[in-house]
Amino acid sequence: DAKTTQPPSMDCAEGRAANLPCNHSTISGNEYVYWYRQIHSQGPQYIIHGLKNNETNEMASLIITEDRKSSTLILPHATLRDTAVYYCIVRAANAGGTSYGKLTFGQGTILTVHP
Amino acid sequence: DAGVIQSPRHEVTEMGQEVTLRCKPISGHDYLFWYRQTMMRGLELLIYFNNNVPIDDSGMPEDRFSAKMPNASFSTLKIQPSEPRDSAVYFCASSRQGFNNEQFFGPGTRLTVL
Repeated sequence: DAKTTQPPSMDCAEGRAANLPCNHSTISGNEYVYWYRQIHSQGPQYIIHGLKNNETNEMASLIITEDRKSSTLILPHATLRDTAVYYCIVRAANAGGTSYGKLTFGQGTILTVHP
Repeated sequence: DAGVIQSPRHEVTEMGQEVTLRCKPISGHDYLFWYRQTMMRGLELLIYFNNNVPIDDSGMPEDRFSAKMPNASFSTLKIQPSEPRDSAVYFCASSRQGFNNEQFFGPGTRLTVL
């Protein structure tokens, strides 16, 4: 399974964009990139996922490089409530992949949003 | 929808006792997952079910751990006998059929084994 590398921590000012990077240089063609976050004392929460095209939803945008070896999660206007641990995960898209159906969480990035 | 429901939210027990954690997935979801989170090891998948059938239990640490899903609306994770190193937050999650569907997590059960 492809592994991911994320910076252990990042800071962001409230109201500014938060750009969280993730490296997944060994990703295979059938693996999606997922982002989840975990606010203190809560269960993880799904944010967004993508295969090769950029994606946007009401929470965030996901930018995936053309070679798919890295991606960036963008929170366009960070608020204090966005302070959380953000996890970048790769996951197989079909039953032939060993990571099919499973989310393997790494250590994530602790994002702290300052007033 | 009430979301994934877990009980109890907190459990304190003594070493050697049996512990049972409970989970009610979101109605209509076909997948159910049990995770464990500790400071040392992070968030780990223990086991997951599809249509009430265990698919992958490779993350279950040892024979003291067992999980069941007798029907589509209920699952249990049992530890017998419990040990202090089992102290962790245990999360249950569910998702709809479809490989890329998001997992919805419950609030977790904080287990402390003395």
